[in-house]
Amino acid sequence: QQQVKQSPQSLIVQKGGISIINCAYENTAFDYFPWYQQFPGKGPALLIAIRPDVSEKKEGRFTISFNKSAKQFSLHIMDSQPGDSATYFCAASDGSFFEGAQKLVFGQGTRLTINP
Amino acid sequence: KAGVTQTPRYLIKTRGQQVTLSCSPISGHRSVSWYQQTPGQGLQFLFEYFSETQRNKGNFPGRFSGRQFSNSRSEMNVSTLELGDSALYLCASSDRKGYGYTFGSGTRLTVV
Repeated sequence: QQQVKQSPQSLIVQKGGISIINCAYENTAFDYFPWYQQFPGKGPALLIAIRPDVSEKKEGRFTISFNKSAKQFSLHIMDSQPGDSATYFCAASDGSFFEGAQKLVFGQGTRLTINP
Repeated sequence: KAGVTQTPRYLIKTRGQQVTLSCSPISGHRSVSWYQQTPGQGLQFLFEYFSETQRNKGNFPGRFSGRQFSNSRSEMNVSTLELGDSALYLCASSDRKGYGYTFGSGTRLTVV
């Protein structure tokens, strides 16, 4: 019930291509879905987040697509660049996450490599 | 604005010892959360503190404990270290303006 399943585990994309990472969840109480980017030696950094009242959110080259009925959400990175090479984590929490009140449940991560 | 600061960055301890990790949140952030990151289990929630009170706790044994001080700085303690406690321990702080965490760079604990 508390799991967030992320796929693929690793992904190699050519420079300029589209990177797509998928996540699925079971807990229907989840209503906050962030994506984090982590570089080696650093902590995760918030990339973009969505709530289920919208089906898509775009920030620059990063887009979250959300399918509430399927309980799935995905991250699309357009025009992928070598600097995007990192590990990406999806996560979910219920509505009481405000100011850290509830934990985030993280996916297992996707190691993304962008070939030049 | 300074980020979340975790000290030390690296630590090597022997089985059976105890360890204390420190976290200074972003100024003005009252909530501090701790996560354990390992290759096998990924990111797992340890506990969260707000105004010196533990509000939420993950599924870790009682050997893992924490506290928060009046200035919002937080410490976590692991007693009777086991080899499986080797991990990156991440601290994150949150404020009331949004829903995101800001993570520190972590403390890499190696138990030998």
